[in-house]
Amino acid sequence: DTGVSQNPRHKITKRGQNVTFRCDPISEHNRLYWYRQTLGQGPEFLTYFQNEAQLEKSRLLSDRFSAERPKGSFSTLEIQRTEQGDSAMYLCASRPGSSLYEQYFGPGTRLTVT
Amino acid sequence: QKEVEQNSGPLSVPEGAIASLNCTYSDRVSQSFFWYRQYSGKSPELIMSIYSNGDKEDGRFTAQLNKASQYVSLLIRDSQPSDSATYLCAVTDHGSSNTGKLIFGQGTTLQVKP
Repeated sequence: DTGVSQNPRHKITKRGQNVTFRCDPISEHNRLYWYRQTLGQGPEFLTYFQNEAQLEKSRLLSDRFSAERPKGSFSTLEIQRTEQGDSAMYLCASRPGSSLYEQYFGPGTRLTVT
Repeated sequence: QKEVEQNSGPLSVPEGAIASLNCTYSDRVSQSFFWYRQYSGKSPELIMSIYSNGDKEDGRFTAQLNKASQYVSLLIRDSQPSDSATYLCAVTDHGSSNTGKLIFGQGTTLQVKP
């Protein structure tokens, strides 16, 4: 399978704990996005990488969230001191570096904060 | 605030009928438009992209774009029960960063009844 992969698929954590999610994009895609989706809503943009550079972060992203993409390959999203409001599906998407903007999503990581 | 609006539904159609899903967007600068299908508990799956005014057909799916009216639609012909899902309209945000991030509507739930 050469699609976008994400791990873990599910994460249950207690409030105040730190969590880290991983995304492996499609191999030839140098653009990578993180989104968050809550029940009944469409995905909401969090952050964007072009190769290893993080070029945009949503203003909605608090200081507790950080993302990296070392060497322009996989990416990680870390949430520190989780809160119940962080419970959501975290989605990663990638696209090639062309003029087309079609993004392909991974299966997502469902986070539940208790 | 750039917005994408969809009727949340549910839209219920009988098997074999044409399902019509609609979407409006607020940002006149947007150039790329997408329809994603999302089954319950799964991640969004890209089914159509459209970049210029008019119709684009792919199998049973037809996307229609009218930039003057800021309106995008998706027609599904010969609807099948397996088409029952939430359909997300997405528009690229070509703001100052031009990262190609997507702005999503809240999705329309389609129910195809046998």
